[in-house]
Amino acid sequence: EVQLVESGGGVVRPGGSLRLSCAASGFTFDDYGMSWVRQAPGKGLEWVSGINWNGGSTGYADSVKGRFTISRDNAKNSLYLQMNSLRAEDTALYHCAREASNSEAFDIWGQGTMVTVSS
Amino acid sequence: DIQMTQSPSSLSASVGDRVTITCRASQGISNSLAWYQQKPGKAPKLLLYAASRLESGVPSRFSGSGSGTDYTLTISSLQPEDFATYYCQQYYSTPPVTFGQGTKVEIK
Repeated sequence: EVQLVESGGGVVRPGGSLRLSCAASGFTFDDYGMSWVRQAPGKGLEWVSGINWNGGSTGYADSVKGRFTISRDNAKNSLYLQMNSLRAEDTALYHCAREASNSEAFDIWGQGTMVTVSS
Repeated sequence: DIQMTQSPSSLSASVGDRVTITCRASQGISNSLAWYQQKPGKAPKLLLYAASRLESGVPSRFSGSGSGTDYTLTISSLQPEDFATYYCQQYYSTPPVTFGQGTKVEIK
């Protein structure tokens, strides 16, 4: 079964750090670009960051640029998001998502890991 | 960045109704558009990509059309399981990928 499972979320104080992980299974991980997409409580979808198949190209939303770092370990079939200098507005459910092979739409999503930034 | 504007933000409809949701891009996106369905507490599900191509396993009552800046998602006969929030997403000019604000389809 093709699956993405996120972990690493939690409650953190403003200015703190967290590292999210996304474990992929059921497909050849290094064939695909990957992204992180977040959803604040009761709000819509916001793309956070993306990475190509070998990690050689990355992109970030302006809202997280300079604070978040995306990476991947193809040997471990894993995607990561290092989040530093966290703010209250980063509070959200963070999903990892796979780019489809025939477009740049996201065809597989994980259920998400919740990040709460609060003092 | 390309801005995506969906309309309406919500609608009420009955089972069997034909439903249309519109997505407008701030500039032409050359059919590089996807539609997603999200139910409460669940991850989004890809319905269509390339504006009109149905993702495998998605019922044929869902269809997409459009060109340039204006795109439409149509549900030909609304079913009980279709009550959800729908998002459009452009992948023409990235980063960043951008989503519409969502359209909530509710039961009338």
